[in-house]
Amino acid sequence: DIQMTQSPSTLSASVGERVTITCRSSQSISSWLAWYQQKPGKAPQILIYKASSLESGVPSRFSGSASGTEFTLTIDSLQPDDSASYYCQQYSGFPWTFGQGTKVEIK
Amino acid sequence: QVQLQESGPGLVTPSETLSLTCAVSGDSISGSSTYHWGWFRQPPGKGLEWIAAISHRGSTNYNPSLKSRVTISADTSKNQFSLKFNSMTAADTAVYYCARHVYGAGLGHWGQGILVTVSS
Repeated sequence: DIQMTQSPSTLSASVGERVTITCRSSQSISSWLAWYQQKPGKAPQILIYKASSLESGVPSRFSGSASGTEFTLTIDSLQPDDSASYYCQQYSGFPWTFGQGTKVEIK
Repeated sequence: QVQLQESGPGLVTPSETLSLTCAVSGDSISGSSTYHWGWFRQPPGKGLEWIAAISHRGSTNYNPSLKSRVTISADTSKNQFSLKFNSMTAADTAVYYCARHVYGAGLGHWGQGILVTVSS
C-alpha cells in the first residue's frame, strides 16, 4: 500500500497569512494526488486534483504543487472561511489512501 | 448535477451486518468508463478511510484491511450501489460516505454521509 504522510497535524495562522500543508507519498504516485477540505459535520470537498489542478469553483488562493513524492497545498491569504481540516489522497492505484489530515485554525 | 445520497440504519448491533445504499441522481452509474463509485468512512474525530470501489462495468476493489468483511455491489436498474459490512464492532462506528471518482480528477462528488453507531 502507498502510505501518505501529511504534516503538520494542526496549524494556527492569522487571516491574510500564507499557509502550507505537505503530503509525502511512500512511493511514486506521479501526479495522482488530490486535496480535500472538510468542515465539521460536512462531507469532504475537493480543492485540487492531479496535484496542481484547481477544481472549478474553488477560490484561486488555493494552489497545489508537486516535487517528486512531496506534495504541497498552499493557501495564499488565509480567510476565516478556510478554518477546516484538509486531507490529501493518492489515487495512483488501489488501495486509495489518505493523509492523516491537517486541522487549520484561525488565530 | 450529480447527487449521491446514502441510506441505511443509524444503529447496528455488534456482530450484525451493516447494509448501506447510495442512490445516484443526475448521472448513470454504468454510463462512463472513467468513473468509480466508492465507499469511505470516518470514525468520530478521526481521518478518512477508503473501504471499497466499483467500476461502471462492475469490477470491484477493496481495502485489504477490510476485504474479508466487505462486499460492494451495484444495481444499475435502480442507479444505486451498495455496501455490506459484516461482523460489525464498536470500532466500526463512523460516518459512512459514498462518492464518485472520475479518472484522473479525484473524488468530486460526495454524499452527505450517514452516521452508523455500533452498540447493543
